[in-house]
Parts: sequence; structure tokens; C-alpha cells
Amino acid sequence: AQTVTQSQPEMSVQEAETVTLSCTYDTSENNYYLFWYKQPPSRQMILVIRQEAYKQQNATENRFSVNFQKAAKSFSLKISDSQLGDTAMYFCAFYNQGGKLIFGQGTELSVKP
Amino acid sequence: DGGITQSPKYLFRKEGQNVTLSCEQNLNHDAMYWYRQDPGQGLRLIYYSQIVNDFQKGDIAEGYSVSREKKESFPLTVTSAQKNPTAFYLCASSWSSYSNQPQHFGDGTRLSIL
Repeated sequence: AQTVTQSQPEMSVQEAETVTLSCTYDTSENNYYLFWYKQPPSRQMILVIRQEAYKQQNATENRFSVNFQKAAKSFSLKISDSQLGDTAMYFCAFYNQGGKLIFGQGTELSVKP
Repeated sequence: DGGITQSPKYLFRKEGQNVTLSCEQNLNHDAMYWYRQDPGQGLRLIYYSQIVNDFQKGDIAEGYSVSREKKESFPLTVTSAQKNPTAFYLCASSWSSYSNQPQHFGDGTRLSIL
């Protein structure tokens, strides 16, 4: 079975500092897609960043970047210059060839002033 | 503006009652999805539909039913057979379930038992 594991239920970071959220997954597929979603207190799910498994280059979106290690099946999210508005639950998700999006359990990030 | 509308935002169910959650999208997406989120947990797939008049069970379909009569609409019925319906329900859509396009989510419906 394909699974996604986020081993950090909660994390905190000081404003303006950098934080890294971990994610590992298990699959036998070679072509797939990975996503990080953010869920702020409003509960809306917002796409943060995505990565295609066939691309070696790590995806970057402004202050958000990933460290994609395909052999290790690891997909961590780095948030630079953390802002108060980054406080949210962050979900790692794996999109398989069957068209299903499989989510991890989430990491609750608190950015402290 | 294009997007996904879920209604109502809050819903209460009496024991033995069926309730229906609405999901409408104007993004012209082919695929639509229903997820359940319990406190402190990730999203679990209930049902999904790749095209009008077709849908498949997800990982936790028991006690739920759906229909897809129109491209824009994918309502979810929580039946009396679902013994623990209290949760946050999210609807999503994407261009296709076989593409790498991300899913877009609605704002959710919180369902509670009276």
C-alpha cells in the first residue's frame, strides 16, 4: 500500500527564521507527483508547492522550497523567512498513477513573533 | 471568480437521518472528490468521480453515497448507516484524475450529531 508519513506532529519557529518539515512516502511507482498543502485555521486547503518525480531539480515557490530525494523517498518542505501567516497545518500528499491523492497526517506549524 | 462552493458551512444531523452536503464547481473540471478530515488527521478519500454519471469508492465509502448528474455538481449524502459522521468534509476538483494537475478545494462543511 502507498503511504505518506509526516513524523513531526507539531513544530514551532520564530518569525523570520527557517524551518523544515519532513515527509517520507512509500511507493513502487516510478512516475508520480508530490504536493505540499497548507491548511490555515480557516480550514481551506491551499496548494503550496508541487514536484514531479521525473524532475531532479527541486521545486521552489518564493519562500518555499523542497528537498526531493527520490531514492530515499523523502520530500521535505523548507520555509525561509517564516511569517506569522505561515501558521497552519501542513500536509504532504502523494498523487499516484491511479489518480488518487494520498495525504500524510499533517504537521502543525506555529510561527512565533 | 472560479472556484468550488460547499454548503452549508455547518450541518447538524439527528440520529437515523440522512443529510446531503452540496459541492458545486465552476472551474469546468472533469474530476471531483469528497474527503473526510477528523481532528489531528489527514484527509481520507470517500468517493471520487472522473466524469459525469460515473463515480468510484474511495477508502472509506461505507455509510456514504454520491451522484454526478452534472459536471458542476457532486453532492455527498451521509446516510444513517454512517455511525460516526462527525467530521469536517472537504470537496475538491481537478482537470482530470489522471493528470498531474493539483486538486482545488472548497471551504468545507462541518457535520455534527445532535
